Amino acid sequence: EPEVTQTPSHQVTQMGQEVILRCVPISNHLYFYWYRQILGQKVEFLVSFYNNEISEKSEIFDDQFSVERPDGSNFTLKIRSTKLEDSAMYFCASSEDRARNTIYFGEGSWLTVV
Amino acid sequence: RKEVEQDPGPFNVPEGATVAFNCTYSNSASQSFFWYRQDCRKEPKLLMSVYSSGNEDGRFTAQLNRASQYISLLIRDSKLSDSATYLCVVNSYNAGNMLTFGGGTRLMVKP
Repeated sequence: EPEVTQTPSHQVTQMGQEVILRCVPISNHLYFYWYRQILGQKVEFLVSFYNNEISEKSEIFDDQFSVERPDGSNFTLKIRSTKLEDSAMYFCASSEDRARNTIYFGEGSWLTVV
Repeated sequence: RKEVEQDPGPFNVPEGATVAFNCTYSNSASQSFFWYRQDCRKEPKLLMSVYSSGNEDGRFTAQLNRASQYISLLIRDSKLSDSATYLCVVNSYNAGNMLTFGGGTRLMVKP
C-alpha cells in the first residue's frame, strides 16, 4: 500500500534554530498538508498546499512557518526560529484530490525544542 | 465552544464487550465525517467514513445525526487490539479539505 513518508522521525533542536521537516507524499496525490499534535492535545491543521501554492492555512501557521515543494517528490515544512512551544509531532498528509478524498497521514516527525 | 467535542475517557472494557463513543460538532456546514484511530505516538489512521444513512464495517458501526450535529461509533465484540484513541473528525468544505479533529476518546480493552 502506498504511504506518506517523513524524515526525520525525531529531531531535537535548540530554541531559535531553523528546522526543516521533510515529507514524500503518495505519488499520484495532488494535495498536501501539514498537521501538528502537541503532546496530550488534539491534532491541529497547519496548512494545505496545491499546485505549488498554499490553499489554506490556520492561525498557527504564522510567519515563522513556510512550506515548499522543491522538486517533484518532496514537500517540506520549515520553522524559521523555533520556540519551545513548537515542540510537537508534525504529521504530513496527502490526498488524491480535494473533495471528499481520504487524507493519508505519514508516521510523523517528533520535534523537541530545548 | 469546541468545534469537535468528545468524551476523553478512558473507557475500560473487557474483551467481547460492546462500547459506544459519541461526538458533537459545532459547524453546521460540515459535510464529511470520519472516525480515525490513533495508537500512542503514531499517526491517525482512517477507521471509517460516516454517512448520513449510517454504515457498518465488520464490528464497527457509525451513525450520523445532522439535525443534532452528533456522530457515534459502536464497536462490538471488542478485541485487545482495539485499544487505542478514537478520533472524531469533521471536514467542512467551505474551509477547503481541512480536517478538524476532536480530542479523542481513549479505549482500553482488558483480557
